[in-house]
Amino acid sequence: DAGVIQSPRHEVTEMGQEVTLRCKPISGHDYLFWYRQTMMRGLELLIYFNNNVPIDDSGMPEDRFSAKMPNASFSTLKIQPSEPRDSAVYFCASSFMGTRQIEQYFGPGTRLTVT
Amino acid sequence: AQKVTQAQTEISVVEKEDVTLDCVYETRDTTYYLFWYKQPPSGELVFLIRRNSFDEQNEISGRYSWNFQKSTSSFNFTITASQVVDSAVYFCALRHSGAGSYQLTFGKGTKLSVIP
Repeated sequence: DAGVIQSPRHEVTEMGQEVTLRCKPISGHDYLFWYRQTMMRGLELLIYFNNNVPIDDSGMPEDRFSAKMPNASFSTLKIQPSEPRDSAVYFCASSFMGTRQIEQYFGPGTRLTVT
Repeated sequence: AQKVTQAQTEISVVEKEDVTLDCVYETRDTTYYLFWYKQPPSGELVFLIRRNSFDEQNEISGRYSWNFQKSTSSFNFTITASQVVDSAVYFCALRHSGAGSYQLTFGKGTKLSVIP
């Protein structure tokens, strides 16, 4: 079975531009998580969804960040407008909480650079 | 509040040496889960193991072994006969067991370099 898929793998954009990161979770998983990784702050949870519904977005840094999950196989994280401090690696992860197999499986990440 | 401490920022060992990565956690929960993830230079996060707080049995998987001690709030990871492919950043993480508490609290990671 395919793992979590993220696109693009690398994104370079100029300050002020809109950035959209995409994620396809593992088929059958009912939870989807967006994380951000930086040297200063490590791995931070931004938001997570259960059955396509946002459950906890308390980690979203500002109103410039938004996330959607229109269906079970697709989610987006959008930054508008982007700023240099948004430069980080963004990970998407999914898991299935319906059984005792609760671990989160991570995608390869999107490395975002805002100049 | 939950907290995970990985005191070793970086470790270097020569190939075939054994190495132990330390993880100490803090939680007020009586039931919780602990995890180890590996992040190789390619950048992805790879799940290694999950441990439930009510199961203190140590686990071995090939060259990897984990020592969970509730009394000292530690969940240490040992690699036996290290190999160059083990070079990576290793993260320990903690999660509540209750419903609606799915956030993973990660440690800062330990960067392991295995020198040929």
